[in-house]
Amino acid sequence: AQSVTQLGSHVSVSEGALVLLRCNYSSSVPPYLFWYVQYPNQGLQLLLKYTTGATLVKGINGFEAEFKKSETSFHLTKPSAHMSDAAEYFCAVSNQGGKLIFGQGTELSVKP
Amino acid sequence: NAGVTQTPKFRILKIGQSMTLQCTQDMNHNYMYWYRQDPGMGLKLIYYSVGAGITDKGEVPNGYNVSRSTTEDFPLRLELAAPSQTSVYFCASSYSTGAPYGYTFGSGTRLTVV
Repeated sequence: AQSVTQLGSHVSVSEGALVLLRCNYSSSVPPYLFWYVQYPNQGLQLLLKYTTGATLVKGINGFEAEFKKSETSFHLTKPSAHMSDAAEYFCAVSNQGGKLIFGQGTELSVKP
Repeated sequence: NAGVTQTPKFRILKIGQSMTLQCTQDMNHNYMYWYRQDPGMGLKLIYYSVGAGITDKGEVPNGYNVSRSTTEDFPLRLELAAPSQTSVYFCASSYSTGAPYGYTFGSGTRLTVV
């Protein structure tokens, strides 16, 4: 069975600081990995995904994530936080033929 | 380019009432899903469908029913509303299974049962 663990239900950073949201997964087969963002009172939007190939994946709004098989991780980063990045972020895992399994979510707050 | 459309956006129900949450997509996706989102609990899969006429239970199906008569529509039915069904409900669709395409989500329905 697959699972996703997001470390930290809430992360707070200052504007301009590094954003790091942690995601670890469990999968017995090569995973497909996703990050979604949910702005207040909206649905989830795909931020980026890893399927195959390059392990460093770039997404929208300056976010990127690196697939590290040895660490079973897919952490999300952004070099410099903006106020507009405040949202909830969900990591998800799937394999070929499978449904997405979502983590519990991490709420990101950005302080001025 | 509508994507996934959910109606209504907000609803207050009394205990024991019934209602249908509507979901329609215009992307010709075969796969559709219903999730509920509760604070700190992430998304829980209620039901899903792999095509017209085919539905299956997810992780938390009790108290809900679905149907899929067309590719576009996937309504979720609550027959006897209970306070435990107070939640935000999201409908999603995908071209095939979730991998490697990911899902497209609607904007959600916020339901309160009192």
